[in-house]
Amino acid sequence: AQKITQTQPGMFVQEKEAVTLDCTYDTSDPSYGLFWYKQPSSGEMIFLIYQGSYDQQNATEGRYSLNFQKARKSANLVISASQLGDSAMYFCAMREGPHYGNNRLAFGKGNQVVVIP
Amino acid sequence: KAGVTQTPRYLIKTRGQQVTLSCSPISGHRSVSWYQQTPGQGLQFLFEYFSETQRNKGNFPGRFSGRQFSNSRSEMNVSTLELGDSALYLCASSLEGTGGRDTGELFFGEGSRLTVL
Repeated sequence: AQKITQTQPGMFVQEKEAVTLDCTYDTSDPSYGLFWYKQPSSGEMIFLIYQGSYDQQNATEGRYSLNFQKARKSANLVISASQLGDSAMYFCAMREGPHYGNNRLAFGKGNQVVVIP
Repeated sequence: KAGVTQTPRYLIKTRGQQVTLSCSPISGHRSVSWYQQTPGQGLQFLFEYFSETQRNKGNFPGRFSGRQFSNSRSEMNVSTLELGDSALYLCASSLEGTGGRDTGELFFGEGSRLTVL
């Protein structure tokens, strides 16, 4: 079964607008971590934001925020004030269990975002 | 601070050959993990090494192997290459701290793009 589901088709976003990328996950482990990564055409995976399953507040990192709805098992990424440099593939990923001794991430298929001026 | 370095960046091999990819983690990071990225299967976990020991392993055949050296540098080897091994191979390193809000974030390199003809 898929652990991480990202089903949105490619998205075009107007510069300076906000965009929400959907991610749902599946796990029975009470301890897990959720990540969002950005992958531009160069190929490097760039870390954006992290949410731990026990974190009480939604994570924020600059223009990135994570809308964490634990009961729904969703971890949507919100990018505010889109910039041209935000054009990339965006991946949601999950690590099940505590992170010590475990760096195995399950990735979704990704969302393609194109920011237009 | 230097990031994760992967070499070579691009390489072309023919079926039946073998290939070795190298990854130098961020200084001080002891965990190195490898991922395969293909258009069809997406990002899949290969294996993880920590202090020269394989700690986690994904669902790949025995043709895929790796190792880690005492300086934390890692290599992965694919023997008897098949067309389906054409992919972007990403290496990630992680610092496992002793406390605080250490998310166990994975820092990725730019990848080695392997083409098998």
